[in-house]
Order: sequence, then C-alpha cells, then structure tokens
Amino acid sequence: GENVEQHPSTLSVQEGDSAVIKCTYSDSASNYFPWYKQELGKRPQLIIDIRSNVGEKKDQRIAVTLNKTAKHFSLHITETQPEDSAVYFCAASGRGSTLGRLYFGRGTQLTVWP
Amino acid sequence: DGGITQSPKYLFRKEGQNVTLSCEQNLNHDAMYWYRQDPGQGLRLIYYSQIVNDFQKGDIAEGYSVSREKKESFPLTVTSAQKNPTAFYLCASSIEGTHPNQPQHFGDGTRLSIL
Repeated sequence: GENVEQHPSTLSVQEGDSAVIKCTYSDSASNYFPWYKQELGKRPQLIIDIRSNVGEKKDQRIAVTLNKTAKHFSLHITETQPEDSAVYFCAASGRGSTLGRLYFGRGTQLTVWP
Repeated sequence: DGGITQSPKYLFRKEGQNVTLSCEQNLNHDAMYWYRQDPGQGLRLIYYSQIVNDFQKGDIAEGYSVSREKKESFPLTVTSAQKNPTAFYLCASSIEGTHPNQPQHFGDGTRLSIL
C-alpha cells in the first residue's frame, strides 16, 4: 500500500515567521492529498486539500504545493500565530482495492512562540 | 463536526473484557472509518466501510471487530484479543459513494484505558 513520510516531527517558530511541513508518498497513482490540524485533546480538522491535477492551492495564510514527479507535497503557513500551534497531519489517498481510504503521516507538532 | 457523535468519551476496560465504542453520523455519508491514535504514531486505520453491510480491514485490524448494519452507525468492538488497547479512538466519515477521495470528517474521539 501507500507509504507517507512526514517531516519534521517537531517544528518551533517565532510568531510572524513561516512554517513549512513536508510529506512524501510512494504510490504515483495517489491523487488526493488533505492536511489536518489537531489541537490538543480535540478532533483532527481538515484545513486544506489538493488534488493531483493542481500544483498549488492557497487559503489565506495556508498554502499547499504538490510535486507529482518527485512525489512530495508541502504545507506552508505564513505569518504564524500562537493559535496555529497544533499537530498537523498529511495524508494521501489509496487506489484500486484501497480506494476510499487515506494513508496518514505521523504528524508534526508545530509550536508558535509569541 | 457536529454530525459525528462518538460515545462514550472515556471508557475503561477490565482484563478479558470486550468493549464497544459507538459512532453515529447524521451527515448521510456512505463511508465510515475507525482510527487508533497513539502518541507519535499518527492515525492508524483499524477498519473502514464504504457501504452498508460491507467493511474492510485496515492496517491494525487484529483484536478489533466492526459491523455496519445501518448507514449512520459503525460500532467498533475492542476484544480481549487486543492486548494493548489503551489509546485514543477516532471515528470518521466521508461522502464517498460514487465520488471517491473526499475529505474525512472526524468525531471527538473515545479514550480507552485499561483498569
């Protein structure tokens, strides 16, 4: 099946700086890549997603880029704020017999210092 | 999401006991999922179901069982065969059906501990 690697596992930035989290995937047929944010003790929430027919997508301070050739995608958060502190998970879609499921990375703990 | 309800929020299991975690959704979603979350391990898929009366094993199905008798319900049973059940369990759903690869929406989770 698909294998998703996520780096770094922890990331600390100063308020106002940018944060970048990177994920790689193994199956070139994966075509859907969501990002989730999970605050302490809460449910994961979708913050942005991208499909393989698009190279970049933005939503205010958040952007995701996808490089299909290299099989990696990244989350970019600009002008970080303390409330951005959370665990972020990337995921990639399955295909064939695993169509409909997601493969998650292990998560990145982002801390934004005021 | 308010449309996915997991209960109970906290659950304690005794040795040799089976326990069942409830997951109900009123989003009219076809697909439902169960994940286990341990510190540093991300979200690991236990079972998923894309349609009523059908389900597939995920990556860590051993010691767990599920049923999908109704579209809105996908209960997870943690059996006594699961020797390390202490974890945070998350249920999710997505619209799927004829539109695969859609966002998954999560419940608030159930934290299971061993007595």
